[in-house]
Amino acid sequence: GAVVSQHPSWVICKSGTSVKIECRSLDFQATTMFWYRQFPKQSLMLMATSNEGSKATYEQGVEKDKFLINHASLTLSTLTVTSAHPEDSSFYICSVGQPNEKLFFGSGTQLSVL
Amino acid sequence: QKEVEQDPGPLSVPEGAIVSLNCTYSNSAFQYFMWYRQYSRKGPELLMYTYSSGNKEDGRFTAQVDKSSKYISLFIRDSQPSDSATYLCAMQRGGSEKLVFGKGTKLTVNP
Repeated sequence: GAVVSQHPSWVICKSGTSVKIECRSLDFQATTMFWYRQFPKQSLMLMATSNEGSKATYEQGVEKDKFLINHASLTLSTLTVTSAHPEDSSFYICSVGQPNEKLFFGSGTQLSVL
Repeated sequence: QKEVEQDPGPLSVPEGAIVSLNCTYSNSAFQYFMWYRQYSRKGPELLMYTYSSGNKEDGRFTAQVDKSSKYISLFIRDSQPSDSATYLCAMQRGGSEKLVFGKGTKLTVNP
């Protein structure tokens, strides 16, 4: 399966600061990557679909100005949480895969906003 | 009614037991069914991937899909302590990459 590297695995920041999370597809050219968020004891919720060379597609209820996604190359997508607040504290996970085929996930980033 | 329902458990079994994990769903458009294993604070790892109805076996794991009942199962034979994790079911409509996940069932296999 595809190897997906996500960095950092854990970040603590102060309220009001911005945090950038990177997702790299190491052995697969990903025109599409997906960003999920997982709260404790909750299911993974799709936040947005990252498209290489074009704007991301956000799910209903996800603020695109708060969660900035950049997919500048076939191997890298970044998620920036702008002006983070404690309610943004969550586990963020990216995934890559072909349409209608298997998706493979990164190791996740635990964000804690103080 | 949620699209995918999964009992969050927790489920605790002795080593060597057969484990049965289940999900139900409401949307008959789902065509692809997956089971993921997630260790604490890690990304999900794909265990089983099936299309439409039927059974699929891979080592100690067996996935079953019953589309008529909108019900999927994952069986783990000869369970091991290393199987202790949260198991997530996920489903996908044909022609779309969006996965819909269950909440996950936390499994503990006791030595």
